[in-house]
Amino acid sequence: TQLLEQSPQFLSIQEGENLTVYCNSSSVFSSLQWYRQEPGEGPVLLVTVVTGGEVKKLKRLTFQFGDARKDSSLHITAAQPGDTGLYLCAGTNTDKLIFGTGTRLQVFP
Amino acid sequence: DSGVTQTPKHLITATGQRVTLRCSPRSGDLSVYWYQQSLDQGLQFLIQYYNGEERAKGNILERFSAQQFPDLHSELNLSSLELGDSALYFCASTAAAGPSYEQYFGPGTRLTVT
Repeated sequence: TQLLEQSPQFLSIQEGENLTVYCNSSSVFSSLQWYRQEPGEGPVLLVTVVTGGEVKKLKRLTFQFGDARKDSSLHITAAQPGDTGLYLCAGTNTDKLIFGTGTRLQVFP
Repeated sequence: DSGVTQTPKHLITATGQRVTLRCSPRSGDLSVYWYQQSLDQGLQFLIQYYNGEERAKGNILERFSAQQFPDLHSELNLSSLELGDSALYFCASTAAAGPSYEQYFGPGTRLTVT
């Protein structure tokens, strides 16, 4: 069974702080996606990384795919209250998307 | 608004009952995925349909079944409900069959089994 473990599970920080969320697996994935989910809504795709070592930036968010395509990280610079939500990584194999355990982020003003 | 609709938004029912959840994909999308999200287990893939045919199966219980109709809407049937089936059920749609394509999620159906 392919598993994606995210850490930390919960994160509460003040506005302006930086943070990193990790997504780790013992399995290799063909690509990895990051989603954000807000209460009462479905997850929304933030980014897809495909190549080992790939780095993608989305405003204050930086995503990196590990060289071996088994892990990924999400770094947020100068977090804002609007970043609050559940962050989910998801790895793709041939026929399905495997979601990580999730990181719940709370950013206080 | 993702363009994916799910009904009902909330459902409260008793153990042993049967319910049907409905999903309409985004216009033009042929693939529908069903997921279960509970507090202690994250988002679990249940089943995928592509253009009316079952394409991939995840951790779907035998008490659960799904189908995709000619108009591409999909229904997830949950029977002999147990307390542990209480969860959020999401469907997502994509234009193509592969899982690496962006999945657009609906707002979910919150099922409470009492």
